[in-house]
Amino acid sequence: DQQVKQNSPSLSVQEGRISILNCDYTNSMFDYFLWYKKYPAEGPTFLISISSIKDKNEDGRFTVFLNKSAKHLSLHIVPSQPGDSAVYFCAASPRNTGTASKLTFGTGTRLQVTL
Amino acid sequence: GEEVAQTPKHLVRGEGQKAKLYCAPIKGHSYVFWYQQVLKNEFKFLISFQNENVFDETGMPKERFSAKCLPNSPCSLEIQATKLEDSAVYFCASSRAGTTNEKLFFGSGTQLSVL
Repeated sequence: DQQVKQNSPSLSVQEGRISILNCDYTNSMFDYFLWYKKYPAEGPTFLISISSIKDKNEDGRFTVFLNKSAKHLSLHIVPSQPGDSAVYFCAASPRNTGTASKLTFGTGTRLQVTL
Repeated sequence: GEEVAQTPKHLVRGEGQKAKLYCAPIKGHSYVFWYQQVLKNEFKFLISFQNENVFDETGMPKERFSAKCLPNSPCSLEIQATKLEDSAVYFCASSRAGTTNEKLFFGSGTQLSVL
């Protein structure tokens, strides 16, 4: 029972173009969504997040969009750079029920930015 | 310290042997989380601590797995009588607070190989 799904295992984008990574979730109790970036042999590092009260959050080249009715979020990276090549994990957190910050992760999308 | 420190980086155990993994959270962080990542797939939540108290252990296998966070010591995750399916990367993460929008900082993981 996968509550957070990233249906594209991999994505290849040319440098300078836009990368769009998608994520779907099924649990309506999820209230807060995060994207983590992971390089090989390292732990995930936080990239950007969005609360369910918003539909967009932007930080430099990274923008996260949330469509609550569709239970869908996406991460846009523009322009894409070779250093963005990594695995991107979508994660979700439920409303503060005493188990806050227990993240549910997707299976990741490997982004390859080519020259 | 300013990063989550996990030791050892790699651990090899024969089936049936004990494995013990360590995690030093970021100084000032009150919450510690353990996640298991099998075959580079999704991260499975195991357990979380608020200081030395178990906060949420809903992901911990009932048998063979135990964890502690004692004052002035690194947190530990111990697996008694390891099995082949315990082979995974075990990530520790810490956060300042346990609120919904608190991001987690991850260590670089311990790769456990059970032979």
